[in-house]
Amino acid sequence: AQKVTQAQTEISVVEKEDVTLDCVYETRDTTYYLFWYKQPPSGELVFLIRRNSFDEQNEISGRYSWNFQKSTSSFNFTITASQVVDSAVYFCALSAFSSGSARQLTFGSGTQLTVLP
Amino acid sequence: ETGVTQTPRHLVMGMTNKKSLKCEQHLGHNAMYWYKQSAKKPLELMFVYSLEERVENNSVPSRFSPECPNSSHLFLHLHTLQPEDSALYLCASSQGEGFLGNEQFFGPGTRLTVL
Repeated sequence: AQKVTQAQTEISVVEKEDVTLDCVYETRDTTYYLFWYKQPPSGELVFLIRRNSFDEQNEISGRYSWNFQKSTSSFNFTITASQVVDSAVYFCALSAFSSGSARQLTFGSGTQLTVLP
Repeated sequence: ETGVTQTPRHLVMGMTNKKSLKCEQHLGHNAMYWYKQSAKKPLELMFVYSLEERVENNSVPSRFSPECPNSSHLFLHLHTLQPEDSALYLCASSQGEGFLGNEQFFGPGTRLTVL
């Protein structure tokens, strides 16, 4: 079985603050992919990043950065200098491949981020 | 139109009604997905279609019946639903024959209310 835990249900920050969204995952597979998606109030999920289990390099994209640590099974997401437009629900997801079993894609329960002006 | 579109955006139905949700992708992808998003619960993958064939069916009740007539269109037929089926139903598509390691593009969803 696989599982994704986003312990932070809701976070509020003031604009320009940095904020980190936590994601902890569980899987017995050695090959897997981790994702972050953003869901603004309009509803559709927007892809942010994909990371495979063999690539532990951290990634930075503008104000966004991701810290992947296999030793702690975590894939945390940091927004630097947050803006009001960053307000959304953020989902972490795991896609793993178990031999002899069906493919699975598991989402965390999401973190509601509110950035106050 | 571009991306992934879904119709209707909102649907209210009684438990005895039959309705269908429609999804269309304009991205040239070959895999499509249905998800259910309920309040306070994680996003649930319902069905995966790859090259118009169903490749995943995650123990979804038979009152939900998917149909994929071609790689650009996906339907979810609904009949005799229960109030607990009220949720946001999201459609997504990706390139790569249903490979769940690929980036998925989502539609805006259909907000379904079952009375």
